[in-house]
Amino acid sequence: AQSVTQLDSHVSVSEGTPVLLRCNYSSSYSPSLFWYVQHPNKGLQLLLKYTSAATLVKGINGFEAEFKKSETSFHLTKPSAHMSDAAEYFCVAPSGTYKYIFGTGTRLKVLA
Amino acid sequence: EPEVTQTPSHQVTQMGQEVILRCVPISNHLYFYWYRQILGQKVEFLVSFYNNEISEKSEIFDDQFSVERPDGSNFTLKIRSTKLEDSAMYFCASNGPFFYEQYFGPGTRLTVT
Repeated sequence: AQSVTQLDSHVSVSEGTPVLLRCNYSSSYSPSLFWYVQHPNKGLQLLLKYTSAATLVKGINGFEAEFKKSETSFHLTKPSAHMSDAAEYFCVAPSGTYKYIFGTGTRLKVLA
Repeated sequence: EPEVTQTPSHQVTQMGQEVILRCVPISNHLYFYWYRQILGQKVEFLVSFYNNEISEKSEIFDDQFSVERPDGSNFTLKIRSTKLEDSAMYFCASNGPFFYEQYFGPGTRLTVT
């Protein structure tokens, strides 16, 4: 069965500095993987998705993630943080046919 | 761009009361889901629904919960007798053209007092 582990519950960065949010997955095959973002009191928005086509995936708002099979990782990065990036980020994997498994989330704080 | 909608955005109810949370999935989608997120915790799968029946449900989805697609557009989650611990954000989702890509609604915040 799939599982995802988000290694940091909170990450703080200064505006303009790089962002790294870590996610490791557990699967016996090449999975599909997603990153979703949740702004305060808002729903879940798809940031980007990996579906075996390319290991480096670009998403919205300048985010990207690299699938590394050797490290079973799918870390989310952004070269330069913006205040509007402050939110909760979830690494997500499908499990079986009919459901998503969510990581525990990483709350990103951006300092002025 | 089509989107999943949910009503109401916030529901307050007393313990023991029945609530129905409503969702309108994207029109050509076939798989529908409910998830919940207790405040400060991660998002948890509740149930998936396809072809007018439950495909999979979690241990959270006990006899107090039921789902229904009463017409061609709505997808509902009913909680028969709410408990304090049912207070959470409930998200509806449906599958896009790529099987694993789920589109989420904005959520309904349920507060049980």
